[in-house]
Amino acid sequence: AQSVTQPDIHITVSEGASLELRCNYSYGATPYLFWYVQSPGQGLQLLLKYFSGDTLVQGIKGFEAEFKRSQSSFNLRKPSVHWSDAAEYFCAVGEGGGGADGLTFGKGTHLIIQP
Amino acid sequence: NAGVTQTPKFQVLKTGQSMTLQCAQDMNHNSMYWYRQDPGMGLRLIYYSASEGTTDKGEVPNGYNVSRLNKREFSLRLESAAPSQTSVYFCASSTGTDSGNTIYFGEGSWLTVV
Repeated sequence: AQSVTQPDIHITVSEGASLELRCNYSYGATPYLFWYVQSPGQGLQLLLKYFSGDTLVQGIKGFEAEFKRSQSSFNLRKPSVHWSDAAEYFCAVGEGGGGADGLTFGKGTHLIIQP
Repeated sequence: NAGVTQTPKFQVLKTGQSMTLQCAQDMNHNSMYWYRQDPGMGLRLIYYSASEGTTDKGEVPNGYNVSRLNKREFSLRLESAAPSQTSVYFCASSTGTDSGNTIYFGEGSWLTVV
């Protein structure tokens, strides 16, 4: 069965500093990988996704992620965080059909931005 | 831009009561999903529907039933609510195709069972 691990439950970063959120997955075939963000009291918004091709994926809000098959990782990065980036971040892996059968989510990383 | 709409947004139930969470999407998507979110657990798939007329169990289906009423609507029913079903429920939808499949989420329904 597929699974997703986000090793960091909480991360605190100073505003303007760089950010990397870790994600490791377990999946037998070629994975379909996603990062979502959730602000308090809101639904989830897609930041970026990887299906195939270039392993460095650009997303919205200045985020990017790199797929590394050898490490089974899909880490999310941002060069300079803003206070508005404070939120919960979820990594997810999709089953067949690019995730049409539903996604398996990690438990999330709570990002805190220090002024 | 309605997207995925769920109702109600908040509900308090007594143990043993029943209720239905409604979900509708206006994006002509084939696939629809119900997830629950609990603190420290991420989102877990309850049921999904890959197309109109079909439904399948996800990771945590016990205590729930679903109905894919038509292409737009996918409801989640709790027949006899239990405190363990206190959670935030998210409905979602996607095109269901291989490439470019993006899952869009509703804003959530907060359910408390007392």
